Order: sequence, then C-alpha cells, then structure tokens
Amino acid sequence: DTEVTQTPKHLVMGMTNKKSLKCEQHMGHRAMYWYKQKAKKPPELMFVYSYEKLSINESVPSRFSPECPNSSLLNLHLHALQPEDSALYLCASSQAPLNYEQFFGPGTRLTVL
Amino acid sequence: GQQVMQIPQYQHVQEGEDFTTYCNSSTTLSNIQWYKQRPGGHPVFLIQLVKSGEVKKQKRLTFQFGEAKKNSSLHITATQTTDVGTYFCAGNSGYSTLTFGKGTMLLVSP
Repeated sequence: DTEVTQTPKHLVMGMTNKKSLKCEQHMGHRAMYWYKQKAKKPPELMFVYSYEKLSINESVPSRFSPECPNSSLLNLHLHALQPEDSALYLCASSQAPLNYEQFFGPGTRLTVL
Repeated sequence: GQQVMQIPQYQHVQEGEDFTTYCNSSTTLSNIQWYKQRPGGHPVFLIQLVKSGEVKKQKRLTFQFGEAKKNSSLHITATQTTDVGTYFCAGNSGYSTLTFGKGTMLLVSP
C-alpha cells in the first residue's frame, strides 16, 4: 500500500469552530508532514513529525495544533481560524526525515468563512 | 535561509514541442527532488538526484543535477497533453527540510 489518505476532502468552517484533519499511511514511514498550499504557490511546510515526535514547527500560529497518535496517524486540530487560513492542507510521509522522497495525500480543501 | 528559485513560472507549448524548467539554489544541495502536481491534484514524486553531474531519464523526461550541486533542470521531449501540470523542484541542504521552488506551470495545447 503506497498511499497516504486524508479526511475530509473538503471542509467549510466558521471562525469559531473546532475541527480536525486526519491523515493515515500504512507504508511504515517514520516521518510525517503537514503542508499548507495556497493557489498557484508551492507547498509550505508547517510541521514535521519524526518517529512520532514533533521535530519541526515552522512558526505556525497556535490555532493549528498537530498530533501524532501513532506511527501511522497524523492529525491537525484547527481552532479559531481566520479566512486567510483557507487553503489546501497536504499531509505527506517519508521513510525517514530528510533526503527521502515524500508521498503526498490528496489534501483537504479548507474554506474558513 | 535556503532559497530555491525556479524558472520559468509558466510555459505554454504546442503538443510535440520540448519543455525545460530550471532550478537554482542559493546553497549547495545534498539532493534535489522533482514533483509534478496536476491541476486539482497533489504533488507526486518524480525523481531524486544525489550525485554531482547526475543525469537520469524517465521515458521522455530528462533530469540533470549540476556539477556544483546548486542547480538542476527537467527537460521534457515532445510534450503531450498528459504532461500538463506544475513541476516543482525541491532541495535538501545538510539537515534542513525540503525547500520547494515556486514551480513551473506547463500548459500543452493539442
């Protein structure tokens, strides 16, 4: 299984809502990533989990809270988002952090009203 | 911090024409990766180059890594409509995370 799955595919939320994005991989990868991608822009790294521990947090606002319950799962908890947070949120995984190809999930298209 | 520049931003070709996108890093890279993102899709890994001067081919696609490991190119011979998408280069430098170039959007007219 060489797939990264993400749910939901689409999410519309108000600025006062709390929601979660989910990501799963069954490739035995030990590094997992959250990226944010705006239209016509490259993916922008948010968080890196390495061996289930948060290893990189790219100065992301605290309204985004990652969680790695186990080596296959990665969540992104969202709270009090702003309209400018509307974007495609991509999860990716790789065999190990650094120097390995990344497998991306299909993404969650998030709209904040 | 590390910067990866990519040109052109956009290219529109007729089917059958060749296409090249170029990537330049401000620092020496330990490796460079190329990804393709179809419209409405997600990035898909194409290839990784590690060695100085390395050249790899995948059917009509040719990837090169510069001798100084600071630049790379992707060349597509005889484009097809299925080549449409945005091509991103992404580089690692030392222990840094992957830095993506801004991408080149390729449009192919039949």
